[in-house]
Amino acid sequence: QVQLQQSGPGLVKPSQTLSLTCAISGDSVSTNNAAWNWIRQSPSRGLEWLGRTYYRSKWYNDYAVSVKSRITINPDTSKNQFSLQLNSVTPEDTAVYYCARDRRATFDNWGQGTLVTVSS
Amino acid sequence: DIQMTQSPSSVSASIGDRVTITCRASQGISSWLAWYQQKPGKAPKLLIYAASSLHSGVPSRFSGSGSGTDFTLTINSLQPEDFATYYCQRADSFPFTFGPGTKVDFK
Repeated sequence: QVQLQQSGPGLVKPSQTLSLTCAISGDSVSTNNAAWNWIRQSPSRGLEWLGRTYYRSKWYNDYAVSVKSRITINPDTSKNQFSLQLNSVTPEDTAVYYCARDRRATFDNWGQGTLVTVSS
Repeated sequence: DIQMTQSPSSVSASIGDRVTITCRASQGISSWLAWYQQKPGKAPKLLIYAASSLHSGVPSRFSGSGSGTDFTLTINSLQPEDFATYYCQRADSFPFTFGPGTKVDFK
């Protein structure tokens, strides 16, 4: 079965870059049948979809407008994983971050979640 | 962007009760709707996709209905493991907005 394993720091200083990685087992980041997403959850924002990467003969990305100027999601085919980078973070970016697989825009597999706190 | 709302925000119920949760989209999304269950400290789990299709391994006491702007999640004969928060999510196009959630707790 598909498993997603997240890794990355739980504490980031304001104005710095948040970086997380999601390792995939049981599927391929290059599959034509799914997309690979980052979603976050906080008490103030609830569940918020951030963006995704997917392969359909070439690589594509979709990003939420709220973070579009600060976010990059990249696949790593050599390690079968994908990553999130969120630049210029503020305390409002404090949240639990999840990676998730979607098939037809429905999230059927999720990572375990990573609490990221933005604080000096 | 399309907004998703849910009602009620919380419901108190007993074992064996039937629980109904409503989700409304601010514009029509056909049947492009999913439902998730989340327990404290855990990632959400997919229950229903395409408004009414049961995800693999999900008990048949869960069911979904609706299309357009109004959708319903029903839990028949509530079990102890069903006490959780439930979210709907539009799946027609990005941004894939979630509803604010409905917490089902013990009466």
